[in-house]
Amino acid sequence: GDSVTQMEGPVTLSEEAFLTINCTYTATGYPSLFWYVQYPGEGLQLLLKATKADDKGSNKGFEATYRKETTSFHLEKGSVQVSDSAVYFCAPGPASNDMRFGAGTRLTVKP
Amino acid sequence: NAGVTQTPKFRILKIGQSMTLQCAQDMNHNYMYWYRQDPGMGLKLIYYSVGAGITDKGEVPNGYNVSRSTTEDFPLRLELAAPSQTSVYFCASSYSQLLNEQFFGPGTRLTVL
Repeated sequence: GDSVTQMEGPVTLSEEAFLTINCTYTATGYPSLFWYVQYPGEGLQLLLKATKADDKGSNKGFEATYRKETTSFHLEKGSVQVSDSAVYFCAPGPASNDMRFGAGTRLTVKP
Repeated sequence: NAGVTQTPKFRILKIGQSMTLQCAQDMNHNYMYWYRQDPGMGLKLIYYSVGAGITDKGEVPNGYNVSRSTTEDFPLRLELAAPSQTSVYFCASSYSQLLNEQFFGPGTRLTVL
């Protein structure tokens, strides 16, 4: 099935630093790709998505570009805030019983 | 819309007890999922369903059972609870198989002692 490999954490940054979290995918074809965020004590929520190759997803200052030549969907933010501290998950579509989320990357932003 | 709801929020079980974790969604989604998240770890798919009456095993189904009698509900049954089942359980749903944007419930924190 489709799966992703995600950069391991934890990642600790100072406020206003640049963030990159790597994600590469293995799939037949070009599935939709997602980044989810999990704030402490909460469930996952969708952060951004890309439905096809060369799409760029963006939300709350985060961006990720679906690059088929490198099979990547890296998450970036130009200037992180303390409120961005969370765990970030990369995930592929489509739905199947062997669909696999990324392992998650814990980000801590210090003031 | 309430989205995806889960009950209970917390539960402590003794070894060998059984329980059902409830999950409901009001978005008319066909696809529903159960995941477990162990401390500091990622999500592992337990079971998934593509519609009422149809379920399939995920990565870690042993020790669990599911049923899907309606589109809205997808309960997860634990039989003979074991300490290895101590985890946070998340239910999720999605509308489309290809554009599989999942909506998650708030989770159930289960401890087996």
